[in-house]
Amino acid sequence: QVQLVESGGGLVKPGGSLRLSCAASGFTFSDSFMSWIRQAPGKGLEWVSYISISGRTIYYADSVKGRFTISRDSAKSSLYLHMNNLRAEDTAVYYCASFGGYGGSMYYWGQGTLVTVSS
Amino acid sequence: SYVLTQPPSVSVAPGKTASITCGGSNIGSYSVHWYQQKPGQAPMLVISYDSDRPSGIPERFSGSNSGNTATLTISRVEAGDEADYYCQVWDGSGDHVIFGGGTKLTVL
Repeated sequence: QVQLVESGGGLVKPGGSLRLSCAASGFTFSDSFMSWIRQAPGKGLEWVSYISISGRTIYYADSVKGRFTISRDSAKSSLYLHMNNLRAEDTAVYYCASFGGYGGSMYYWGQGTLVTVSS
Repeated sequence: SYVLTQPPSVSVAPGKTASITCGGSNIGSYSVHWYQQKPGQAPMLVISYDSDRPSGIPERFSGSNSGNTATLTISRVEAGDEADYYCQVWDGSGDHVIFGGGTKLTVL
C-alpha cells in the first residue's frame, strides 16, 4: 500500500539546522510532484515547499525562503527538507505529500514528524 | 497574496447536512481541494477539483464552487465526520499553495 514515512524531526536550538526525510513506497515516486506542509501546534496547515518530478522546479513559502532547501532522490524514492537558521516559529509537525502537478490536490500524505525549536 | 477564508467552526446534528464555506476573491476561477483532518492524524483528501470524490470517500461528501465561495457539503452527517476541514487552491502563477484557515466541524 501507499506509504510516506517522514523522519528526522526533533528538538533543535534556535539558529540550528535539521534535515527531514520522507521515504515513499507503494506508488511511482518518480512520476510524482512532492511537497512539504507544516502545522504548528493547534494551528492550521501551512504549505512550505514543493519540487517537480525532475527536481528542476522548486518553490518555497516566503516564511522559509533562503533558509530551507527541498530536494529529492528518485533512486531512493525519497524527499528531503534541509532546514537552516531555525526559529521558534518553525516549530510544527512537518508532513510530506504527493501531488500530480500544478493545480493538483495532495492525494497522499505522510503521518508527519515533529520539529521543535527551543532553547 | 491570495487569501482563503473559512469559518472557524460549524456545528450540526447527526443526520443533518453540514456546509463548510471557503471564501476567496473570484474563487470560482480556481480549482478547490478539500481535506479532512481528525485529531492526531494526517490530513486526508476528500474532494478534489471542486467536486470530485477520491476513491473511498462516501457519496455524502460533495463540493461546489462559484463566484467568491466554494462549499464542502456533508450530507447525513455522522459522528465520525467530526474533524477539521481545510480548503486549498494554487495561486495564479503556480508557485504557491494556499490553505484556508480550517473549520472545525462539531457533531452535536
